[in-house]
Amino acid sequence: TQLLEQSPQFLSIQEGENLTVYCNSSSVFSSLQWYRQEPGEGPVLLVTVVTGGEVKKLKRLTFQFGDARKDSSLHITAAQPGDTGLYLCRGSTLGRLYFGRGTQLTVWP
Amino acid sequence: DAGVTQSPTHLIKTRGQQVTLRCSPKSGHDTVSWYQQALGQGPQFIFQYYEEEERQRGNFPDRFSGHQFPNYSSELNVNALLLGDSALYLCASSLWGHASTNEKLFFGSGTQLSVL
Repeated sequence: TQLLEQSPQFLSIQEGENLTVYCNSSSVFSSLQWYRQEPGEGPVLLVTVVTGGEVKKLKRLTFQFGDARKDSSLHITAAQPGDTGLYLCRGSTLGRLYFGRGTQLTVWP
Repeated sequence: DAGVTQSPTHLIKTRGQQVTLRCSPKSGHDTVSWYQQALGQGPQFIFQYYEEEERQRGNFPDRFSGHQFPNYSSELNVNALLLGDSALYLCASSLWGHASTNEKLFFGSGTQLSVL
């Protein structure tokens, strides 16, 4: 059983489209991170959210932490081929950290 | 400023063999964590080393062991390899003492292990 469920598992879109991926859990997390991993590389941290309801923006990426701190979303506006990669969420609960399985995003030119 | 470096990048072994993977943390970091990432999955935490001691361990058998050296570099050893051990092994470095809520991991590019 995955503590963090990510959806969708796969997403294939055209350049310029908007998209949202989700990270959900039945547990309350004290913080949540989003990473992007490109083929042949390790994950790279994009953002950390710690406060329920928090919204953070990173250029065309918008991250939101749910009010109850059990879920998070990542919204990408006007996706570009360079956004292609595996998006992973990682949450901290009860002193341990867990990764979700990720959403594999492919953006076609 | 060198980031996290791992060696080798690729490795092919047969069942029953033993393997050692190596990691040098980012300059200034003192904590090393190891992760196993199977194809299509997220990274699974193996263990974490700080001050040359294993501090936390995930749900992995004793066949997986590690070591940290005084210069903070680390090794991951896997004995009696199984086909299911085939995966990308990632090393991540961080600073001990940062609250887990703000722990920022820097990952290496990984070692792709194939067990035949």
